[in-house]
Amino acid sequence: AQSVTQPDIHITVSEGASLELRCNYSYGATPYLFWYVQSPGQGLQLLLKYFSGDTLVQGIKGFEAEFKRSQSSFNLRKPSVHWSDAAEYFCAVGPLGTGNQFYFGTGTSLTVIP
Amino acid sequence: DAGVTQSPTHLIKTRGQHVTLRCSPISGHKSVSWYQQVLGQGPQFIFQYYEKEERGRGNFPDRFSARQFPNYSSELNVNALLLGDSALYLCASSLGTGKRDEQYFGPGTRLTVT
Repeated sequence: AQSVTQPDIHITVSEGASLELRCNYSYGATPYLFWYVQSPGQGLQLLLKYFSGDTLVQGIKGFEAEFKRSQSSFNLRKPSVHWSDAAEYFCAVGPLGTGNQFYFGTGTSLTVIP
Repeated sequence: DAGVTQSPTHLIKTRGQHVTLRCSPISGHKSVSWYQQVLGQGPQFIFQYYEKEERGRGNFPDRFSARQFPNYSSELNVNALLLGDSALYLCASSLGTGKRDEQYFGPGTRLTVT
């Protein structure tokens, strides 16, 4: 069965510090992988996606993620966090099945302190 | 261009009642998917509709139903509401059902069942 694990429920970083959010997936083949961000009261916004090819993908807002097949991981990184990055971050695998459904992790809540 | 819109933004219902949630996709998008996001969890897939036909269904009871109209807008209906149906309901639209068709999420409808 497909699943996505985000082991960190909550992370606090100082503004200007680097950030890494962890994501591990379980899927039989190489999946399509995504990171979404959700601000309070908002829907999900796509940060970046991996389909194939270069395992380091660049996204919006200065985020990047690295696909590591051997570790079944797709960790999200940012070299310098801004206060506006405080939000909930979701890793997802998909689309799968006839419904093109996405499987999401439980999310990591990011707090940025001055 | 307008993004995915959902209505209402919030609503409160009583156990046993029925609710209808509405979604308008991005212009030109023919596929609509519905997700349920319970507080503290990632979104869970409910339905995908494409060209007015159900293309996929998640693990939800028959109390949940949906339909898509000729203009590609969609409704999600939930009968016999339970307290556990309290959640943020997200709608996502995409051009079609291609695996690389990006899903764009709306802001969601917050449903509270008392």
